[in-house]
Amino acid sequence: DGGITQSPKYLFRKEGQNVTLSCEQNLNHDAMYWYRQDPGQGLRLIYYSQIVNDFQKGDIAEGYSVSREKKESFPLTVTSAQKNPTAFYLCASSTSEVNTIYFGEGSWLTVV
Amino acid sequence: GENVEQHPSTLSVQEGDSAVIKCTYSDSASNYFPWYKQELGKGPQLIIDIRSNVGEKKDQRIAVTLNKTAKHFSLHITETQPEDSAVYFCAARWASYKLIFGSGTRLLVRP
Repeated sequence: DGGITQSPKYLFRKEGQNVTLSCEQNLNHDAMYWYRQDPGQGLRLIYYSQIVNDFQKGDIAEGYSVSREKKESFPLTVTSAQKNPTAFYLCASSTSEVNTIYFGEGSWLTVV
Repeated sequence: GENVEQHPSTLSVQEGDSAVIKCTYSDSASNYFPWYKQELGKGPQLIIDIRSNVGEKKDQRIAVTLNKTAKHFSLHITETQPEDSAVYFCAARWASYKLIFGSGTRLLVRP
């Protein structure tokens, strides 16, 4: 099936550890995004990538890192520098014309 | 700065009634306005969108209206059903690859 696959769905991390969230899409979209969602708030942009080997910081990039080595993949690393990493993380993609953005099913990260 | 305000934060309606959610954006250069529905624990799904050269768009029980002069747009759901219960987000596009989202509206449709 075509779509955006995020894994894992649930992840627990100890303080001080880095963790990487996977995002894969088979929609042949050029652009990919990572959003963070906290209870009672909207979606906030962490990073986005318009093309392979290129990415830009969003509004809340501190404590996160990304890579875009393949068109289909856009993994997000939550580093120990992120002060409040517990959240719901959403990966998304769109065509280069950027109209409709499609979301994956999300990954829950809990720091214990 | 770039901002999208969404109201109300919660909305409770009786099944069969209409629901209206409103959003206001700050940048007059915005040209694309999607609406997403998010069910608990899932990713948002696009339900309808509108571009700045259109004033209204309908899709069955869902409609979106855009007032560019006032810089606001609204989602209208008619004949609401319990399965419409979810969180709804509006968004507006600024730069070519960036959407700014509202804070969400939790809609509850009472049977």
